[in-house]
Amino acid sequence: AQTVTQSQPEMSVQEAETVTLSCTYDTSESDYYLFWYKQPPSRQMILVIRQEAYKQQNATENRFSVNFQKAAKSFSLKISDSQLGDAAMYFCAYRSANNAGNMLTFGGGTRLMVKP
Amino acid sequence: EAQVTQNPRYLITVTGKKLTVTCSQNMNHEYMSWYRQDPGLGLRQIYYSMNVEVTDKGDVPEGYKVSRKEKRNFPLILESPSPNQTSLYFCASSFLGTGNNSPLHFGNGTRLTVT
Repeated sequence: AQTVTQSQPEMSVQEAETVTLSCTYDTSESDYYLFWYKQPPSRQMILVIRQEAYKQQNATENRFSVNFQKAAKSFSLKISDSQLGDAAMYFCAYRSANNAGNMLTFGGGTRLMVKP
Repeated sequence: EAQVTQNPRYLITVTGKKLTVTCSQNMNHEYMSWYRQDPGLGLRQIYYSMNVEVTDKGDVPEGYKVSRKEKRNFPLILESPSPNQTSLYFCASSFLGTGNNSPLHFGNGTRLTVT
């Protein structure tokens, strides 16, 4: 079974600075997808960014980018120019490309605080 | 507006009193799923459904039931709730896209407390 580990329960960053959230995963599969979700206090689960394992190029969405290291099974999220609205729980998630159950395996989450 | 709607948003109940959390999506998604979120554990899948009348267990199905009589609805049923089912619950849906790349759309969560 796949596992996803987020080793940082909490992180803080100064507004306008850059922060990197860590995520590692364990799998024996070669074809899969990785996601970062944001959960603000409103409890919504918002998709931030996704990465296909077969793509070598790191995904980027505006101020959000990932560092995908397939051999190391690492998938970190970098937030540039942090804003107060970035404060939230962030979850890393894995999905097998072959899983009929379409199941996402989530990490335990990282709470990000943004200091003004 | 495309959305997943789950109700209620908050629910407090007592041990053993049957309850249902409703979930409805208006995006014609084939796939629907229930997750529970607990501190430090992230979200864990309870049950999922690939289509009408097709349901299967996720990682933590004990104590839960689901049904999928219509494509848009996927209620979560707790026949005899216990305090260890106190949690935050999410319904999610998606298309069954090629290579499982279709993103999951989540409801806004139901905070359940069982005393």
